[in-house]
Amino acid sequence: DTEVTQTPKHLVMGMTNKKSLKCEQHMGHRAMYWYKQKAKKPPELMFVYSYEKLSINESVPSRFSPECPNSSLLNLHLHALQPEDSALYLCASSPIQGASDTQYFGPGTRLTVL
Amino acid sequence: GENVEQHPSTLSVQEGDSAVIKCTYSDSASNYFPWYKQELGKRPQLIIDIRSNVGEKKDQRIAVTLNKTAKHFSLHITETQPEDSAVYFCAASIPDRGSTLGRLYFGRGTQLTVWP
Repeated sequence: DTEVTQTPKHLVMGMTNKKSLKCEQHMGHRAMYWYKQKAKKPPELMFVYSYEKLSINESVPSRFSPECPNSSLLNLHLHALQPEDSALYLCASSPIQGASDTQYFGPGTRLTVL
Repeated sequence: GENVEQHPSTLSVQEGDSAVIKCTYSDSASNYFPWYKQELGKRPQLIIDIRSNVGEKKDQRIAVTLNKTAKHFSLHITETQPEDSAVYFCAASIPDRGSTLGRLYFGRGTQLTVWP
């Protein structure tokens, strides 16, 4: 398996809902990332997990809560989101080979917050 | 942190012509430079990358050049086809402090349109 997969593809939620995004890879990568991407903009880094431990949090609001249950899975728990949080949420993984890592992106979850 | 500038923001070419997208970076510690292609509604897809110990790399119609002294790198697409139409992002990777992870800093993107 040489791909990063994400579920669901689309998600519509209200501001009071709790939902989760899921990301999975079976390439043996030990770094996993969450990005947020608005239309016509580059991906913005949110979180990085390295060996299942949170290593980077880009000052993301606490209504976004990441979780890495094992080396293949990455979740993003969502609670009390705002309409401006509507975006494409991308997961990526990389093999950790020194500093020069190739990041492979999943297809993303298109999130709409009503 | 790193600052990556990308130009132009939009580029229109006729099918068969060449397209060039240029990026500059600010931090000399950056050592890995990938290019991603993103079609509408799709994931960013790595199309080519270059590391700081190499000046040029080619893969069929796509080539990337790197000038470390001037801190700039460029994507060259020859014999463009309509299916090359997409947003292209350059990025620079710099080691994150206190870790061995490379962290990507993206340019703002170039919308390439290839007219048949």
